[in-house]
Amino acid sequence: KQEVTQIPAALSVPEGENLVLNCSFTDSAIYNLQWFRQDPGKGLTSLLLIQSSQREQTSGRLNASLDKSSGRSTLYIAASQPGDSATYLCAAEYNFNKFYFGSGTKLNVKP
Amino acid sequence: DAMVIQNPRYQVTQFGKPVTLSCSQTLNHNVMYWYQQKSSQAPKLLFHYYDKDFNNEADTPDNFQSRRPNTSFCFLDIRSPGLGDAAMYLCATSRDPGKGQYFGPGTRLTVT
Repeated sequence: KQEVTQIPAALSVPEGENLVLNCSFTDSAIYNLQWFRQDPGKGLTSLLLIQSSQREQTSGRLNASLDKSSGRSTLYIAASQPGDSATYLCAAEYNFNKFYFGSGTKLNVKP
Repeated sequence: DAMVIQNPRYQVTQFGKPVTLSCSQTLNHNVMYWYQQKSSQAPKLLFHYYDKDFNNEADTPDNFQSRRPNTSFCFLDIRSPGLGDAAMYLCATSRDPGKGQYFGPGTRLTVT
């Protein structure tokens, strides 16, 4: 059974710090790995999508990497800001339109 | 703007009273999903449609049903809501396998 794990569950950092969020998955036969942001009481906003053939994707201050062989993805956030405070979820897509989510990392960036 | 729309954003229903949640999309995506998310938990897939082809998760209670009358709309019916069904319900779409998912804002369901 596919499982997705995110560590840490919560993270608090001062503004301006660079940080890394981790996502691991048990089955390396993924189609892609997608990172989302969720604000309290809101839906999920897609941040980055990494196809299985890719190693990384970048958008602004965000960089996501994918290592299928080790079953890991990381989301790097540069120069964090208070507005980055949210829960970040990763999801691995497998065959037959199946997505498996991690439980998320709740990020707090302190001014 | 192309998007995924969910109505209502907040729904209050009574224990045992049927309720329907709505999702529509202007993305013309083939796949539509319904997820249930409880506080501080990962979204849990209930079912999905690939075009008109319905796919139910093995552990989705029979109390939950879905309809997709056309490409743009998908409905979640909860036949007899219990207190344990109070959650955020998220609708998502995907163009095709491997293309990622795009979510609506969610419907917060309260059961009294």
